[in-house]
Amino acid sequence: GNSVTQMEGPVTLSEEAFLTINCTYTATGYPSLFWYVQYPGEGLQLLLKATKADDKGSNKGFEATYRKETTSFHLEKGSVQVSDSAVYFCALWTPGSARQLTFGSGTQLTVLP
Amino acid sequence: EAGVTQFPSHSVIEKGQTVTLRCDPISGHDNLYWYRRVMGKEIKFLLHFVKESKQDESGMPNNRFLAERTGGTYSTLKVQPAELEDSGVYFCASSHDGGRGYEQYFGPGTRLTVT
Repeated sequence: GNSVTQMEGPVTLSEEAFLTINCTYTATGYPSLFWYVQYPGEGLQLLLKATKADDKGSNKGFEATYRKETTSFHLEKGSVQVSDSAVYFCALWTPGSARQLTFGSGTQLTVLP
Repeated sequence: EAGVTQFPSHSVIEKGQTVTLRCDPISGHDNLYWYRRVMGKEIKFLLHFVKESKQDESGMPNNRFLAERTGGTYSTLKVQPAELEDSGVYFCASSHDGGRGYEQYFGPGTRLTVT
């Protein structure tokens, strides 16, 4: 079956620090990969996605590259801001009859001024 | 366009009581999903409606959970009787028919605490 393993948190960084949150996956078929973000008091929002190997998803300064050879989709940002404080979830989806997303356990990021 | 809404935002009940969570999807979205996150772990799929029909309920943990979507609009998820391990955040998501399965829009979640 499908599974997503995400680095455990919480992660605390100073403003302008470099961020990496690791994500690896196991999937049957050819998954699409995602990062979702949940800001305090809000719902899950799609941050970025990549639908095939070597694709790079990017949004709001965040990037992640779909690496099939290492089954990874690590999230990176060169300079985090206080407003990036949130919970980040790695997720995958595979085509077929099942339409649900498979999520990792989430990583709480706190950015200090 | 209004997003996915969930009610209540937080519920605290005692073990053995009943709780009903409600989800209003985005208007026109035929697909409605329930997920939950327990104890800070991964978000897990519970079930999927297409209009009023249960398309996939493979993630429902046991028969204490009952989901309905009468009329194919809003959905309710009832837990009866609630147990301590049911505590967590319950998310609802919706998507329009014909979209890719990952184009799901999530609500803010309902935090359920069973004491």
